[in-house]
Amino acid sequence: GEDVEQSLFLSVREGDSSVINCTYTDSSSTYLYWYKQEPGAGLQLLTYIFSNMDMKQDQRLTVLLNKKDKHLSLRIADTQTGDSAIYFCAESPTGTASKLTFGTGTRLQVTL
Amino acid sequence: GAVVSQHPSWVICKSGTSVKIECRSLDFQATTMFWYRQFPKQSLMLMATSNEGSKATYEQGVEKDKFLINHASLTLSTLTVTSAHPEDSSFYICSAPGEPSGKNEQFFGPGTRLTVL
Repeated sequence: GEDVEQSLFLSVREGDSSVINCTYTDSSSTYLYWYKQEPGAGLQLLTYIFSNMDMKQDQRLTVLLNKKDKHLSLRIADTQTGDSAIYFCAESPTGTASKLTFGTGTRLQVTL
Repeated sequence: GAVVSQHPSWVICKSGTSVKIECRSLDFQATTMFWYRQFPKQSLMLMATSNEGSKATYEQGVEKDKFLINHASLTLSTLTVTSAHPEDSSFYICSAPGEPSGKNEQFFGPGTRLTVL
């Protein structure tokens, strides 16, 4: 079945850039998502990218996709303490109405 | 944006009892909803797909008699954990797909934390 992997933990200083990486195995993945989960809360969609795109930028967020290597990354510029959370990448073969396969989650800790 | 609510937000119950969790799409209709469970410091694992007007589709390894799903209307799906045991303690999250803003997005509820004593 599908497998989505992430590093478990990342610590950065406030103001620095954060880069969270994700690898996936399903070559039929069409939509790739990044979600943010704060303690005790549900998931918030940050951004998503279609598999025919290499890059997508949305304010402080930049998503890079290397489809050949099945590698996805999320860069957060000027990281703030409010960015501290768990970040999940997820993939879906068909988009909105289909089930998502989530990565293991990366806990981002932002220090002063 | 679209809102999905869950009720209750947390519940503590005794072993052997049944617990019902509700998932509602507040301002849009959802013919499909998804139920996930999340163990501490782990990822979300899809349990089942709830389908309005038909039976739910369960993922491999999920006991359908243990986790009863009923998609009662276009805005409501319920998950009943029957004869709950301590190993069922987890964070249960539902989601519903929708495109009110033109994005390909699933909207997630805030989750229900179940603790079985």
